[in-house]
Amino acid sequence: EADIYQTPRYLVIGTGKKITLECSQTMGHDKMYWYQQDPGMELHLIHYSYGVNSTEKGDLSSESTVSRIRTEHFPLTLESARPSHTSQYLCASSQTSGRRTPNNEQFFGPGTRLTVL
Amino acid sequence: QKEVEQDPGPLSVPEGAIVSLNCTYSNSAFQYFMWYRQYSRKGPELLMYTYSSGNKEDGRFTAQVDKSSKYISLFIRDSQPSDSATYLCAMSLTPPGAAGNKLTFGGGTRVLVKP
Repeated sequence: EADIYQTPRYLVIGTGKKITLECSQTMGHDKMYWYQQDPGMELHLIHYSYGVNSTEKGDLSSESTVSRIRTEHFPLTLESARPSHTSQYLCASSQTSGRRTPNNEQFFGPGTRLTVL
Repeated sequence: QKEVEQDPGPLSVPEGAIVSLNCTYSNSAFQYFMWYRQYSRKGPELLMYTYSSGNKEDGRFTAQVDKSSKYISLFIRDSQPSDSATYLCAMSLTPPGAAGNKLTFGGGTRVLVKP
């Protein structure tokens, strides 16, 4: 079982509030990801990190920001939440390997379901 | 147009039946293909991984890739109620362990196996 954790699991919050979604992994993985998933829709990559102090924007534009100060921690922050931010946010991690191997899969956390009223 | 198309379902089958799932994609450069299973209120977990065209079998699961048709399939034999979940296909240009690897997901197919 993957050791990747997300808190909170569920969050209902009013418009304009600042929120931080937490993600931690204990596998020592160098790469971490944030995806946004709406019901019945594909996962969209919104942020990723290849290591400490490395952050990149993903394929889907997002008003959120991320930081990677420690290997195991990759929090996502929304400065001012809006109803359009209502979605499920999934965090994942994986390990870079120099070998051609299929075993460097992305492990996913359980997700945070965010509702902005 | 989405890069990866997947019928959202739901796909309802009786217990013991074969479940057949598929995805089509538009980018012929995809080389690595994966199937993830996602239970309700959980994150996706990797089920199957295949590289390029061909078949791969793992227990009750068989994954097929047809690169010439840009079409991948997942078959679940002797389906069980515990197989009820959403199944997502994913693909990438580079190996999962590569430094710049990113996954492109389909929207998922919801499967319901009835006892």
